[in-house]
Parts: sequence; structure tokens; C-alpha cells
Amino acid sequence: DQQVKQNSPSLSVQEGRISILNCDYTNSMFDYFLWYKKYPAEGPTFLISISSIKDKNEDGRFTVFLNKSAKHLSLHIVPSQPGDSAVYFCASGPDAGNMLTFGGGTRLMVKP
Amino acid sequence: NAGVMQNPRHLVRRRGQEARLRCSPMKGHSHVYWYRQLPEEGLKFMVYLQKENIIDESGMPKERFSAEFPKEGPSILRIQQVVRGDSAAYFCASSPQGLNTEAFFGQGTRLTVV
Repeated sequence: DQQVKQNSPSLSVQEGRISILNCDYTNSMFDYFLWYKKYPAEGPTFLISISSIKDKNEDGRFTVFLNKSAKHLSLHIVPSQPGDSAVYFCASGPDAGNMLTFGGGTRLMVKP
Repeated sequence: NAGVMQNPRHLVRRRGQEARLRCSPMKGHSHVYWYRQLPEEGLKFMVYLQKENIIDESGMPKERFSAEFPKEGPSILRIQQVVRGDSAAYFCASSPQGLNTEAFFGQGTRLTVV
């Protein structure tokens, strides 16, 4: 039973355009949502997070949107850069919980 | 302040051997989490430890797998009698408090069972 799903295994975007990565979850107990970025042969690095009391959080080129009624969140990267090419994992869990549930990841390729 | 250190980075074991994966958390972090990433899959939680205690091992296979985080030294994930299906990348993360949401990941250990 996949509680966190990233339905697009890959996404290709032209440099300078917007990248939109999507994530759906099923557990209504999840209160905290995060995006991690992972380069090959490296560990995931934290990118941005959002609590369920908000519907948007912005950090530079990265914005995360949360639609709690639809149990859906998305990560927007604008403008996309070739260095953004990586695998992006969505993760969620209960607020202040001790376990994160990860999605399967989306491989983003930003073409110059 | 060094990040989370995992070693070895790559580990090759024959079927039936034991694999020991080490994780040194970031300085000041007393909470450690182990995750496994199977090929073409996301990260799956395995176990959460605090110094000398296992807090949550709900993601750990019941047999052959064990984890510890002693008072002194790194956290160890131990896999006995490895099988080909154990081949995966194993990631360790640490946090200063029991909040997985503040965890930092290590670079991982890639285990290959031949």
C-alpha cells in the first residue's frame, strides 16, 4: 500500500521553463510534507517543506503547494536550470513524527 | 561540522555472508534513522534509533536484520546471511531531536550481493 505516490517517474523540461513535480498521499494523518533532491551516488538533501496549516511555501526558485482536500502537493521550480537535474522525492509524515514515508521519486532532466 | 558519514560507500558480499554498515551521525545528533532504497524504488524506512535504544523498527525485516546505536561509536546496520534481494542502497539520516523532519542524510552504502 503506497501511502505516498509520485506518478511521473520522469520529467523533461527546457532550461528557463517551469518544472512541476507532483505528489499524492492517502494518509490523512500526514501533517508535514517535504521535498528532497538526490543526485546519483549521493544521499538525499532536504529542499523545502510545508506544514498542513499552510497551502504554499516559497524559497527562491522553489515553491511547494499543498492541497489538503485533494491530498496533493506539488513542487514548482522556476526558472529551471540544468543543475536542477536530479531525482526528486516527496516525503510526508505526521507532524513532529519520527518516520517519513517517501514517494518513488521523479527524475527531472533540465535540458540546456 | 562534518555531515552524516556512512562507510563503506560500496560493499560487495557473497550470498550467505554478513554485511555491516556503519553510520556516524552529525555532531550533536543523537537520533539515527536507516532507510533502504531498492533499485528503481523510493526510500523505505527501516529503523529509528536513539542512543542505546531502538525506538521504531517497524520497517525492518524480522529476520537477518538488526541495528544498534551504542553509547560510543557509530550506528551499525547488520544483515546476516545476505541474499541477492538485499542488494540496495542503504541510507542513514540523523537529527538533533526525535524529529525525522529535520534529518540530514548520509551518502549511503551501496550493497551488492553476488
